[in-house]
Amino acid sequence: NAGVTQTPKFQVLKTGQSMTLQCAQDMNHNSMYWYRQDPGMGLRLIYYSASEGTTDKGEVPNGYNVSRLNKREFSLRLESAAPSQTSVYFCAGRGTGGALSYGYTFGSGTRLTVV
Amino acid sequence: AQSVTQLDSQVPVFEEAPVELRCNYSSSVSVYLFWYVQYPNQGLQLLLKYLSGSTLVKGINGFEAEFNKSQTSFHLRKPSVHISDTAEYFCAVTLRGGSYIPTFGRGTSLIVHP
Repeated sequence: NAGVTQTPKFQVLKTGQSMTLQCAQDMNHNSMYWYRQDPGMGLRLIYYSASEGTTDKGEVPNGYNVSRLNKREFSLRLESAAPSQTSVYFCAGRGTGGALSYGYTFGSGTRLTVV
Repeated sequence: AQSVTQLDSQVPVFEEAPVELRCNYSSSVSVYLFWYVQYPNQGLQLLLKYLSGSTLVKGINGFEAEFNKSQTSFHLRKPSVHISDTAEYFCAVTLRGGSYIPTFGRGTSLIVHP
């Protein structure tokens, strides 16, 4: 099925460990985004990529890095995980035409716990 | 910069009753407005959007929303809810032009009781 695919779905890390969250889309989106969702906080933008080869910081970029490997893939890396990074992470792509004009397609999320 | 306020963090309602989820925004320029729904353990799904034209927007699953520019509101309504509508609902706003990155509200949990 067409959409945004995130891996892994669940992850437990120890403080100081590193990991990369993977995101791939097959909807030909130019723009891709990483959000974190915390209870009562809504969604906060971590990083985004307006097009292949470009990345920009969002509202809460500290402790994260991203790579836009190609048009399909946009990964999020935690270099040294901290308990404050325990969250649910969502990747999204932005539609530019038809029913999804200016709307986003979200992946199903990665639930990350840092102990 | 734009901001979004969802006025209720939780809305309990009985099945088949009407419901309204409230959303107010602030922005110095024209905006696009969205409502998303998140079912448990899932990602967000677009319910409806206002880009231009008619201020009454119809979306999926029988939901509709009305854009009120003078009151800077975009409230979501459904005339008769079902148990399956139990979910988290997010209002979002993005500026016309620029990077089109939306700002999300903190969410409203709709709880439908039998």
